[in-house]
Amino acid sequence: DSGVTQTPKHLITATGQRVTLRCSPRSGDLSVYWYQQSLDQGLQFLIQYYNGEERAKGNILERFSAQQFPDLHSELNLSSLELGDSALYFCASSVEQDRANYGYTFGSGTRLTVV
Amino acid sequence: AQKITQTQPGMFVQEKEAVTLDCTYDTSDPSYGLFWYKQPSSGEMIFLIYQGSYDQQNATEGRYSLNFQKARKSANLVISASQLGDSAMYFCAMREMDSGAGSYQLTFGKGTKLSVIP
Repeated sequence: DSGVTQTPKHLITATGQRVTLRCSPRSGDLSVYWYQQSLDQGLQFLIQYYNGEERAKGNILERFSAQQFPDLHSELNLSSLELGDSALYFCASSVEQDRANYGYTFGSGTRLTVV
Repeated sequence: AQKITQTQPGMFVQEKEAVTLDCTYDTSDPSYGLFWYKQPSSGEMIFLIYQGSYDQQNATEGRYSLNFQKARKSANLVISASQLGDSAMYFCAMREMDSGAGSYQLTFGKGTKLSVIP
């Protein structure tokens, strides 16, 4: 157990629907990162939150949004889902944001299948 | 330009042999970190080893070592005495300052699929 908890582990939904993925970071970690892993694009950074504030955005679609709550858990909302959104979505956390030598601890991922 | 390049989509290694997985990187930031992660078929991302840009010695963690050649901008992972459980995808990643975001970000390569043969 990495200490980063992601729920649900699997999600199957239809095109056009909206889903919410949840992540609880490792105890003490203030930064949460969301990544999308698809077969053709590899691991793509979506968005980062630090202590409740959005810190950085990557290749996140406008149909996607996220937030980090006061208890530091984070949710990734995916709406108007398309077949191409099917992927493994990872949440990762780190204790700090401003040093190169801090790696990330990853959750086990949520596998989203859009049918 | 790719920040992290892993040129070996797939590799095979005999059990108990050593294997080297290649990784080259591109950055102009003097302060950066290099990481290797393992992703077994179950999907989770497992941290293996870290090398800092200012570290003088190559990092080692058990059977894993990182062959860091700074001038060549390469950070190859060496796995000694391969085991069947080493069969997985291996990702090289670099954390560097994203000037636009004003924070450090972790970027991944495309990965190398390692298969260990009994």
